[in-house]
Amino acid sequence: QSVLTQPPSVSAAPGQKVTISCSGSSSNIGNNYVSWYQQLPGTAPKLLIYDNDKRPSGVPDRFSGSKSGTSATLGITGLQTGDEADYYCGTWDTSLSAGLFGGGTKLTVL
Amino acid sequence: EVQLVESGGGLVQPGGSLRLTCAASGFTFSSYSMNWVRQAPGKGLEWVSYSTSSSSTIYYADSVKGRFTISRDNAKNSLYLQMNSLRAEDTAVYYCARSIQLWVQYYFDYWGQGTLVTVSS
Repeated sequence: QSVLTQPPSVSAAPGQKVTISCSGSSSNIGNNYVSWYQQLPGTAPKLLIYDNDKRPSGVPDRFSGSKSGTSATLGITGLQTGDEADYYCGTWDTSLSAGLFGGGTKLTVL
Repeated sequence: EVQLVESGGGLVQPGGSLRLTCAASGFTFSSYSMNWVRQAPGKGLEWVSYSTSSSSTIYYADSVKGRFTISRDNAKNSLYLQMNSLRAEDTAVYYCARSIQLWVQYYFDYWGQGTLVTVSS
């Protein structure tokens, strides 16, 4: 059971929009920045969003991040079949002095 | 180009030891904090350990505390993970990841390709 809670799966049709939630507490998301990672099948994770809502160079603006209180959200618009992957939220937990990941969300583009 | 290349994985018996190495290139290794993250087969990501650039501060997940030791050699641009008293539940792909960490900011901007550790008799 992960400290950060994500839905196990989400799905949507090509071209549509999807959101993935990540719920935590005051010791992690509530007081630290959130990052998001995309893991395509058989590959290493890749940074998608950092500092809650910033995109690294090369990440399309179809991907967005937001945070409110102890929850964060990843948004993906204009879904493509190539977006099918596992998505993880991450942050630091100040009380645990430990890095944290959500349990991961599998995105299916129908 | 930033590159992180893990090595040292393999098959080990329960109770055994293994040392993983992460060779870094393409950036000033001594200026960055580094981490180990693992992923059991078919499971999600699990943070394992963190080291500041100078090794002055080190943290471990409770699941590996007392059994695993993270270290680095900045002269050799290398990060290590010494794993002792290995258990079946330590079976996973182990990733080396560079982190950006400052106050409330903490994220992994580059990852290696991973090395598989299998603990089985």
